[in-house]
Amino acid sequence: DIQMTQSPSSLSASVGDSVTITCRASQGISNSLAWFQQKPGKAPKSLIYSASSLQSGVPSRFSGSGSGTDFSLTISGLQPEDFATYYCQQYNIYPFTFGPGTKVDIK
Amino acid sequence: QVHLVESGGGVAQPGRSLRLSCAGSGFIFSIYGMHWVRQAPGKGLEWVAIISFDGSEKYYADSVKGRFIISRDNSKNTLYLQMNRLRAEDTAVYYCAKDLVRMGTVDYWGQGTLVTVSS
Repeated sequence: DIQMTQSPSSLSASVGDSVTITCRASQGISNSLAWFQQKPGKAPKSLIYSASSLQSGVPSRFSGSGSGTDFSLTISGLQPEDFATYYCQQYNIYPFTFGPGTKVDIK
Repeated sequence: QVHLVESGGGVAQPGRSLRLSCAGSGFIFSIYGMHWVRQAPGKGLEWVAIISFDGSEKYYADSVKGRFIISRDNSKNTLYLQMNRLRAEDTAVYYCAKDLVRMGTVDYWGQGTLVTVSS
């Protein structure tokens, strides 16, 4: 199975900061990489697919990049509603696998 | 708008079975792949299974292969997860999710249903 790692596991930031979360796959997955946001007690929300394409309705301050094994999610200008846990997921090879998550909290 | 509602969660004893359902509305259910994803208490997301739009293709996580069965009834706009030989480690919130297109990533999620496996 493909293993997904994320760094950092958590970070503290202030409103208005820009933050970048990285995700690495244990083998190449082309651009079959998605990012999800989850707030406590809520269902996940889909943010990005195909490594860099925004899901419908997702603000443009979210952006993704990468291909192969290394990917990143950047939030440019953190808003109060962005404090959450973020997961990457590969969907190139079954079984699909998620990263362990990165918690973004308020500094 | 897309709406996914899971049901069927509850408490089950180890070794017993449970069937989850997910009713879809607000989209043409019969043309999209569908997923199940779970989250154990305090843990991260774990992909469980996927089924193609017509039910002809199914894939599973190693942790549930041979015990869980994903299925769908397009006439009822409903997705199912038959969970057999349940284990304590199957305790989780189970989410159904709609595929973006065919059998790839997810775009919409249900609110989840909690399954607790305990004696």
